[in-house]
Amino acid sequence: GNSVTQMEGPVTLSEEAFLTINCTYTATGYPSLFWYVQYPGEGLQLLLKATKADDKGSNKGFEATYRKETTSFHLEKGSVQVSDSAVYFCALSGNQAGTALIFGKGTTLSVSS
Amino acid sequence: GAVVSQHPSRVICKSGTSVKIECRSLDFQATTMFWYRQFPKQSLMLMATSNEGSKATYEQGVEKDKFLINHASLTLSTLTVTSAHPEDSSFYICSAQGLGYYNEQFFGPGTRLTVL
Repeated sequence: GNSVTQMEGPVTLSEEAFLTINCTYTATGYPSLFWYVQYPGEGLQLLLKATKADDKGSNKGFEATYRKETTSFHLEKGSVQVSDSAVYFCALSGNQAGTALIFGKGTTLSVSS
Repeated sequence: GAVVSQHPSRVICKSGTSVKIECRSLDFQATTMFWYRQFPKQSLMLMATSNEGSKATYEQGVEKDKFLINHASLTLSTLTVTSAHPEDSSFYICSAQGLGYYNEQFFGPGTRLTVL
């Protein structure tokens, strides 16, 4: 079945450091890929998405490229801020309406000043 | 943008009572709604998928008689935790998928349930 594997945290960085959170997936067909962010005590917010191979999703300085050949969707940011501290979830979804998201286990990012 | 609300945001109840959580799509019609459960420091676990006007489809291991889901309109789904027990304490999150938004899901802010 479909699954998502992301690197385990926590990831601890200093402000302005480079961030990479690895995400790989297993899926039949051509899923859509997502990164969601969850701040403490809150629900999930969509950070970025990509719906087909070689698409690059980007938002708030974060980027991820849909790599079909390596079945990966790694999240990157060139310079993290303290406000980026949160839990990040990689997820995939089939392309049919009504398909639920399959989430990775989440990676906690802690950025210190 | 598409907004999903949940009510209440927090609820504390006694063991044996029932609790209803509402999930509303505020500015779009939600053809499908999903209910997730999240344990502390863990990922989201899909509980059930509901389509408007149809019975919910529950994931394996989720008791349908304990977690009653109703999706009576295109803007409202409810999750009722019946005869709640302390082990039902968790963070419950709904999401909605609607017309015109392809397969994107919009999440509610979550409901923290504590059963004493």
